[in-house]
Amino acid sequence: NAGVTQTPKFRVLKTGQSMTLLCAQDMNHEYMYWYRQDPGMGLRLIHYSVGEGTTAKGEVPDGYNVSRLKKQNFLLGLESAAPSQTSVYFCASRTPLRQEQYFGPGTRLTVT
Amino acid sequence: RKEVEQDPGPFNVPEGATVAFNCTYSNSASQSFFWYRQDCRKEPKLLMSVYSSGNEDGRFTAQLNRASQYISLLIRDSKLSDSATYLCVVNPYGSGNTGKLIFGQGTTLQVKP
Repeated sequence: NAGVTQTPKFRVLKTGQSMTLLCAQDMNHEYMYWYRQDPGMGLRLIHYSVGEGTTAKGEVPDGYNVSRLKKQNFLLGLESAAPSQTSVYFCASRTPLRQEQYFGPGTRLTVT
Repeated sequence: RKEVEQDPGPFNVPEGATVAFNCTYSNSASQSFFWYRQDCRKEPKLLMSVYSSGNEDGRFTAQLNRASQYISLLIRDSKLSDSATYLCVVNPYGSGNTGKLIFGQGTTLQVKP
């Protein structure tokens, strides 16, 4: 099992460009999450999903959109990137039965 | 006030030392508590859950004080491999919810030879 994987690992964008980050998990988990991590701050929840076809806003959703068309995939989109979105993005998943969240290796995004 | 607060450190300790971290949380109704470990430029991984009665896993002991709204992590006989950032994590909503977690900013531990 690969667990939780994220693509790409690194990306540099210019302001105004768009991109999609892909998260995939092979553990058949129902719940999936997107976080961002910035220096001096804890991980902050952007969006989450409790099942295929459902998404909900987290703590910092502005500027991002998500889709969960398949149970194993959770996509995070930036329609018009801004320098404030420079961050490390982590995806995580879990089952409803356990509290532990399993994280992917992260995507380092720089917006210039 | 942040929902989960930790001293960012760094805590610099020699090998073999005992070190303790505290974390405070603001929501008195919080249900579940965890310590995650994050190595430099890596993803967070669950270290241990924190139970009301306290729990121990090898050299690691976690305690919960609901009255004062803090949790602690004690590491005995520190190893070089314990060097990492330790994240205090709180689920304020209970086990039946969507599992949204609140993360502290982390406490950095550096164990020196």
